[in-house]
Amino acid sequence: GAVVSQHPSRVICKSGTSVKIECRSLDFQATTMFWYRQFPKQSLMLMATSNEGSKATYEQGVEKDKFLINHASLTLSTLTVTSAHPEDSSFYICSASPHILPYEQYFGPGTRLTVT
Amino acid sequence: SQQGEEDPQALSIQEGENATMNCSYKTSINNLQWYRQNSGRGLVHLILIRSNEREKHSGRLRVTLDTSKKSSSLLITASRAADTASYFCATARQGYSTLTFGKGTMLLVSP
Repeated sequence: GAVVSQHPSRVICKSGTSVKIECRSLDFQATTMFWYRQFPKQSLMLMATSNEGSKATYEQGVEKDKFLINHASLTLSTLTVTSAHPEDSSFYICSASPHILPYEQYFGPGTRLTVT
Repeated sequence: SQQGEEDPQALSIQEGENATMNCSYKTSINNLQWYRQNSGRGLVHLILIRSNEREKHSGRLRVTLDTSKKSSSLLITASRAADTASYFCATARQGYSTLTFGKGTMLLVSP
């Protein structure tokens, strides 16, 4: 149980285009979902927290207009990187929890974004 | 922002040896969790220890928590090549929904 999927697993896009990444909880309803960014050989940096049906809460320094998060249902959250630039290239990981205070999070396999 | 600091940053051992990783944090916590990440993959939850617990076991894993020193350790006994991965501690503060991850320890277990 507690499986989280992400799609796509890898994406290459040209500078200036937008990319959408999906995160799905497959066997539970995710009250809360999180988006992280990870640079090579570094830790996970939380980008934003989203609760179903409400606006995402972004961490300091994360541009909400550039990283659009939608948590439209209890099983799906999307992250759209708008007008992507090479510096947005990174590993994006989502996690989900069935609880409002999700002390344990279930992680997706990650999406490798490369912007050329 | 990150509050966890793991040490060592990298650890190389032989199969069968024990591996110990440490994590320090700065604020009061509700619980501390350890995760494993294989290269280029997502994170796998290993174990959660609550602030009122001092030690927890799961298979070959042993986690200790010292809230007075704001530190935790993860011990992997009788390591295997398949244990090669990065290990992260993450803290959850009381009343907050987010986890704060440490920088991680990269463990290499050689056959």
